[in-house]
Amino acid sequence: DTGVSQDPRHKITKRGQNVTFRCDPISEHNRLYWYRQTLGQGPEFLTYFQNEAQLEKSRLLSDRFSAERPKGSFSTLEIQRTEQGDSAMYLCASSPGEGTSYEQYFGPGTRLTVT
Amino acid sequence: AQSVTQLGSHVSVSEGALVLLRCNYSSSVPPYLFWYVQYPNQGLQLLLKYTTGATLVKGINGFEAEFKKSETSFHLTKPSAHMSDAAEYFCAVSPSGGYQKVTFGTGTKLQVIP
Repeated sequence: DTGVSQDPRHKITKRGQNVTFRCDPISEHNRLYWYRQTLGQGPEFLTYFQNEAQLEKSRLLSDRFSAERPKGSFSTLEIQRTEQGDSAMYLCASSPGEGTSYEQYFGPGTRLTVT
Repeated sequence: AQSVTQLGSHVSVSEGALVLLRCNYSSSVPPYLFWYVQYPNQGLQLLLKYTTGATLVKGINGFEAEFKKSETSFHLTKPSAHMSDAAEYFCAVSPSGGYQKVTFGTGTKLQVIP
């Protein structure tokens, strides 16, 4: 069990550019979550996948944000036309299916800085 | 709907003293409750969880928490603080069963004074 991994760990981009983050969940976990965490706040839910199906999206996820999990394994989160308000830590988490342990296992996060 | 309130954004304790971090929740259905710890520039690590059964839950690193339904609380305690406990702690709630959308509190930063 290698844990949840995220790439890159840090990203600095200029306003208006597009960025894409990757998350690799724990291999047997079929649920995957994206969160955003700003300074001094707890993680805020963005979206959730069960296998390849995106089952819920927060209203925080504007139309500039898109997430995919094409084969039910890794996931990508893309932000188009970045704004300074997008600067945050983006956290990915995974969990096993229903009827098993309910905690979410978090990756180390990708810290995005928009200049 | 569910929410979490963590009382005190910063808590300072002396090394060896009792740690008490407060968490109150609101949930329209029976909740699952969690405490996570976050070290600087790292992701969150689960300390402990309450799902069903015994209301006193023991976790890693000597932490424990008690689910009190009548008080809608899930406070985190540790009898004796260690320097390595300095971190940010997040209480979280999710609805029991099925898909677990987790709602986090705003966190409590614990400082341990030598």
